[in-house]
Amino acid sequence: GAVVSQHPSWVICKSGTSVKIECRSLDFQATTMFWYRQFPKQSLMLMATSNEGSKATYEQGVEKDKFLINHASLTLSTLTVTSAHPEDSSFYICSAATSGRVTYEQYFGPGTRLTVT
Amino acid sequence: DAKTTQPTSMDCAEGRAANLPCNHSTISGNEYVYWYRQIHSQGPQYIIHGLKNNETNEMASLIITEDRKSSTLILPHATLRDTAVYYCIVRLLNDYKLSFGAGTTVTVRA
Repeated sequence: GAVVSQHPSWVICKSGTSVKIECRSLDFQATTMFWYRQFPKQSLMLMATSNEGSKATYEQGVEKDKFLINHASLTLSTLTVTSAHPEDSSFYICSAATSGRVTYEQYFGPGTRLTVT
Repeated sequence: DAKTTQPTSMDCAEGRAANLPCNHSTISGNEYVYWYRQIHSQGPQYIIHGLKNNETNEMASLIITEDRKSSTLILPHATLRDTAVYYCIVRLLNDYKLSFGAGTTVTVRA
């Protein structure tokens, strides 16, 4: 159980275009989802926290108008990279949190590799 | 959140136990120790967590010192598929957030 999927797994887009990445919890309901970004040979950096039905909370230094997050249901969150540029090329990972146990657990998706040309 | 310190990298031999240390000297009483790993180009995978008692599951064992200032993740019989970056994270009880440090790059060699 506790499977999280991401779509697409990889995407190549041209500079100036927008790209949408989907994150789905397949077998559980996630009240909170997280979006991370990971550059080569670096660790995961939290970009934003997304709660179902409310606005996302962005980490310091992350442009909310560039990285649009929508958490429309308990199983789906989307990240849209608007007007993408080559420096946005990265590995984007989502996670979904559930509170079914004593402590909250996060389950991670497989990641989406974005390349902006 | 308390911070953790891990060695940058370590090698281990296939079939042998791999012992991964983690220091968390400023951990508070209600913070758990979590371990995740990330195989290249994949999302992180949960391994194990504990508060103060030693824990074991099908993947690994977690040994936490009595003062809780350090812990060791043990992979009992390392395989080539265990090659990954291993992250030791401490987190507050009931706090969703995970802060990933640099982790330990573990390379299992045949």
